[in-house]
Amino acid sequence: EVQLVESGGGLVQPGRSLRLSCTASGFTFGDYAMSWVRQAPGKGLEWVGFIRSKAYGGTTEYAASVKGRFTISRDDSKSIAYLQMNSLKTEDTAVYYCTRDPFDCSGGSCYSKLDYWGQGTLVTVSS
Amino acid sequence: DIQMTQSPSSLSASVGDRVTITCQASQDISNYLNWYQQKPGKAPKLLIYDASNLETGVPSRFSGSGSGTDFTFTISSLQPEDIATYYCQQYDNLPPTFGQGTKLEIK
Repeated sequence: EVQLVESGGGLVQPGRSLRLSCTASGFTFGDYAMSWVRQAPGKGLEWVGFIRSKAYGGTTEYAASVKGRFTISRDDSKSIAYLQMNSLKTEDTAVYYCTRDPFDCSGGSCYSKLDYWGQGTLVTVSS
Repeated sequence: DIQMTQSPSSLSASVGDRVTITCQASQDISNYLNWYQQKPGKAPKLLIYDASNLETGVPSRFSGSGSGTDFTFTISSLQPEDIATYYCQQYDNLPPTFGQGTKLEIK
């Protein structure tokens, strides 16, 4: 059974840092891209960024709203994805979801879908 | 960024009704579109990928269609457990973007 469990959320002051972890089980972690998606209270879904699998270079992409402040990394030996969040702002307050993406470009075109989601972890940025 | 516009923003329907939600992209995204369901207090769940493909384990009353800029999500016969907010998402261009959501309620 595929499981994604986020941890590390909590209350943090503006300007401080926080690191979220996403521990995966039930699948070969290294074969998948991993994405982070957030949802501010009462709002819709916002893609934060993702990290490709090593097969696609393990490279990262970010939303403009977090680029330069957030960093996504992965440890395939531990089946964990990380979201390092620096210089946090009040507008970063949200539930952060870790998602699995069977990103695939083997057919010439690239296909993506967020097929499994964690339960989410709440990050509150407030003084 | 590609803008995704869903309509309606909210919808009330009766059990057994056919329900349709539309999603319009601000530019051609081919079929690079997914649909998600989010029940209150829960994480989203993938229902449809690549515009029309039903994710494994998802009931067949859910379906999707469209390509280019105009897409449709349909529930053929609404069930009480379908109460949720539904989101479309494009992945043709970075960043992937979501529609604003359609909140579905039972009448």
